Amino acid sequence: GNSVTQMEGPVTLSEEAFLTINCTYTATGYPSLFWYVQYPGEGLQLLLKATKADDKGSNKGFEATYRKETTSFHLEKGSVQVSDSAVYFCALSPFSGGYNKLIFGAGTRLAVHP
Amino acid sequence: SAVISQKPSRDICQRGTSLTIQCQVDSQVTMMFWYRQQPGQSLTLIATANQGSEATYESGFVIDKFPISRPNLTFSTLTVSNMSPEDSSIYLCSGTGGTNTGELFFGEGSRLTVL
Repeated sequence: GNSVTQMEGPVTLSEEAFLTINCTYTATGYPSLFWYVQYPGEGLQLLLKATKADDKGSNKGFEATYRKETTSFHLEKGSVQVSDSAVYFCALSPFSGGYNKLIFGAGTRLAVHP
Repeated sequence: SAVISQKPSRDICQRGTSLTIQCQVDSQVTMMFWYRQQPGQSLTLIATANQGSEATYESGFVIDKFPISRPNLTFSTLTVSNMSPEDSSIYLCSGTGGTNTGELFFGEGSRLTVL
């Protein structure tokens, strides 16, 4: 079946530190991959996406590369800010059996301190 | 991207009552979904809201507990019936954004607390 596995949090960093949040997936076919962010008290916002192997999604200084050989989509940012504190969800959309039916990872809470 | 509005944004409910959550999209969307996010947890898909027909429920969710309506391409409702404290969650409405790359756009969620 389809599933997403994320590194457990919380992740606690100082401002300007480098961020990596690991995400691996299991899927049949060729899924699209996403990172969503949930700021405190808010709904989910799409952060970035990649729809095929070797695609790199990027937004707001965050990047993730779709690695089919390692079935991974790790989220990175070179220098985090306090405002990046949020919960980050990795998700996939299966190619078959429900194209828009997103499957989410458990979420990783990021706390950035000044 | 579609803008999705939900109401109520939050509510405190008594055990045994029912509450209906409304979801309005600012443009026509092909597909709409309802998710549940229990405290500190990830999102679990409840059902696909089908326009003009019965919703398609995921394993573990049933129509009697979570009746869903979708009368047109911009509006849907989810009712949480006969609530218990275990139903305390954030309920999120989502829809496709007019792309074919699979992403969904989400409302801000409805936070329900059942006493």
